[in-house]
Amino acid sequence: DIQMTQSPSSVSAAVGDRVTITCRASRSIGNSLAWYQQKPGKAPKLLISAASSLQSGVPSRFSGSGTGTDFTLTIRSLQPDDSATYFCQQGFDFLMWTFGHGTKVEIK
Amino acid sequence: QVELVQSGAEVRKPGASVKVSCQASGYTFTHYYLHWVRQAPGQGLEWIGRINPDSGGTNSAQKFEGRVTMTRDKSISTAYLDLTRLRSDDTAVYYCARGRGRIDTVVARDGDYWGQGTLVTVSS
Repeated sequence: DIQMTQSPSSVSAAVGDRVTITCRASRSIGNSLAWYQQKPGKAPKLLISAASSLQSGVPSRFSGSGTGTDFTLTIRSLQPDDSATYFCQQGFDFLMWTFGHGTKVEIK
Repeated sequence: QVELVQSGAEVRKPGASVKVSCQASGYTFTHYYLHWVRQAPGQGLEWIGRINPDSGGTNSAQKFEGRVTMTRDKSISTAYLDLTRLRSDDTAVYYCARGRGRIDTVVARDGDYWGQGTLVTVSS
């Protein structure tokens, strides 16, 4: 299985700050990387697919980058509504999706 | 609008089975894979498997093989996840998710719409 290592496990930042979350795959996955946002008691919401493609309706302060094994999710100017846990997921092995352990983003 | 609506919470004893449903609306059910993902309390996400609603063909993660059955009823646009020989560590919220991209055009590498989740509690 392809292992996904996400860091940090948590981050606390102020409104307006830039937040960066990284995800590393155990082997090259091309650009088959998605980012999800999950709020307590809710289902994951797809933010970014194919490493950098923003889903419709997702604010432009979210962006993704990377290819191969190293990927980044950036929140350009953190807003109160961004308080959530963020997960990366590889789809390179489409018969065995695997997820990072998540990054909890808190507002200071 | 696309919507996936799942069945309600379940409580089972160890060794029992559970069946979770996922009813799709707002799109053509047979055109997109449906995936099943679970999340244990306070934990991350774990992929269980997927079903092609058109053919009924399935793929599942190796750790669930022999215990999981995925089926569908095309007449009511509903997919089902059946998990047998339940253990306490099967306690989790189970989600269905639509694979992004039509079956006949792209490989679904992530899920664009998710159900609200079904809590399955396994306890004696």
